[in-house]
Amino acid sequence: DSGVTQTPKHLITATGQRVTLRCSPRSGDLSVYWYQQSLDQGLQFLIQYYNGEERAKGNILERFSAQQFPDLHSELNLSSLELGDSALYFCASSVGLARWGEQYFGPGTRLTVT
Amino acid sequence: GDSVTQMEGPVTLSEEAFLTINCTYTATGYPSLFWYVQYPGEGLQLLLKATKADDKGSNKGFEATYRKETTSFHLEKGSVQVSDSAVYFCALSDQENSGGSNYKLTFGKGTLLTVNP
Repeated sequence: DSGVTQTPKHLITATGQRVTLRCSPRSGDLSVYWYQQSLDQGLQFLIQYYNGEERAKGNILERFSAQQFPDLHSELNLSSLELGDSALYFCASSVGLARWGEQYFGPGTRLTVT
Repeated sequence: GDSVTQMEGPVTLSEEAFLTINCTYTATGYPSLFWYVQYPGEGLQLLLKATKADDKGSNKGFEATYRKETTSFHLEKGSVQVSDSAVYFCALSDQENSGGSNYKLTFGKGTLLTVNP
């Protein structure tokens, strides 16, 4: 158990809909990262927050957005969903921004868009 | 930009065989290097890391040495077990941009290892 929690574990929804994925980082970790894992794209970094502020953006679509709240939990919002958005979405956390700081991953949310 | 290249899988071995998964990288700075493992149905877990050249990371019988001259970080294990069956990801942590204070992880595509009894 990494200490990072994600809800829900599974999500099935229809095209065009909007969903929210939730992540609680390990106690004391200030950085939260979101990743998308799919068979064709592999593990793609989406976005990072540090202590409530956006710090880095990766391959995140404009239809997707995220935020980190004062209690440090984070939410990833996916809207106007398409079939290609079906994937595993992972959240990870780390203590800070240090180069040697490993990230701790949650169990993921499996999103299926039908 | 930064990139990580891993040997393509899948890799299938018999129990007690020797394992090597190749990983090479390109980076603009002086990255830290990591191997993560993903067991079926789970998130990624850090397996080992090395933060500077010639460092050797090791854990659970796995080893990898940071080779700056060949920009490589190959994963090895002398005798694999069925329980090692998983997807292995090589990753590097480097500065977001020159002189910046933010570091980001860049992952390879992953190598699926299956160990048969």
